[in-house]
Amino acid sequence: GAGVSQSPSNKVTEKGKDVELRCDPISGHTALYWYRQSLGQGLEFLIYFQGNSAPDKSGLPSDRFSAERTGGSVSTLTIQRTQQEDSAVYLCASSPYGKTETQYFGPGTRLLVL
Amino acid sequence: GQNIDQPTEMTATEGAIVQINCTYQTSGFNGLFWYQQHAGEAPTFLSYNVLDGLEEKGRFSSFLSRSKGYSYLLLKELQMKDSASYLCAPHNTDKLIFGTGTRLQVFP
Repeated sequence: GAGVSQSPSNKVTEKGKDVELRCDPISGHTALYWYRQSLGQGLEFLIYFQGNSAPDKSGLPSDRFSAERTGGSVSTLTIQRTQQEDSAVYLCASSPYGKTETQYFGPGTRLLVL
Repeated sequence: GQNIDQPTEMTATEGAIVQINCTYQTSGFNGLFWYQQHAGEAPTFLSYNVLDGLEEKGRFSSFLSRSKGYSYLLLKELQMKDSASYLCAPHNTDKLIFGTGTRLQVFP
C-alpha cells in the first residue's frame, strides 16, 4: 500500500519568506510526527499529533514554526519568515496508534533558505 | 533530561560482524527503537526492544538492558548495502528521542 508522502521534495526559498510543507500519512494511522534533520545530525522532534488530542508542540524551535492536521489526516508544517538556520530536511512520520508504535517515515522535504 | 550516546562513525569489512552500542538516559522509559538511514533517504525501522535481552531478526539483532540504560545493534555477515547510519531511539511516555546516529561504512 501507499506509504507516507511529502511535498515538495525540495524547496529553495529566500530568507524572510514563508514556506508550507505537506505530509500525507499512511491511511488509518492516527499518529503523525514532524522531525527536522540538519546535515550530519540526528532527528530533532518538532511536533506530534495523536487523533483529536491537542498536539505536542514541545519540539517547535520558535513561534515561527506551526503545524496543523486537518481531518485527522493531512498535515502542514508552516515556517514563517524563514532563516538560513532553518535549512534542513523536514521528515514526517506516522504510526498506527501512538508513540509505542513503529513510525513510518516519508521521504522528507529538503529545505534550503538562501 | 534526555541523553543518548552512540559512536559517530564505525568501519568494518564485508562479511564481518559489527556491534553498535547506545547508552541512554531518559525518564519514563518504555522501549527502544533502532532505525537505519541510508544517505539522502528516510529512516526505516529495524527493531524494537521493550524487555531485557536479545531480539534476533535475520542478520540483525538488538539487545537491551533497561537497568544499565544500554542497547546494542549487532549486524552479522555485513554487506556493502549495510553502509548507512544507525539511529538509536529510546522512547518515554512523552516522545521518541533520536540519537545523532552511527555512520557505518562497510568496505570490500
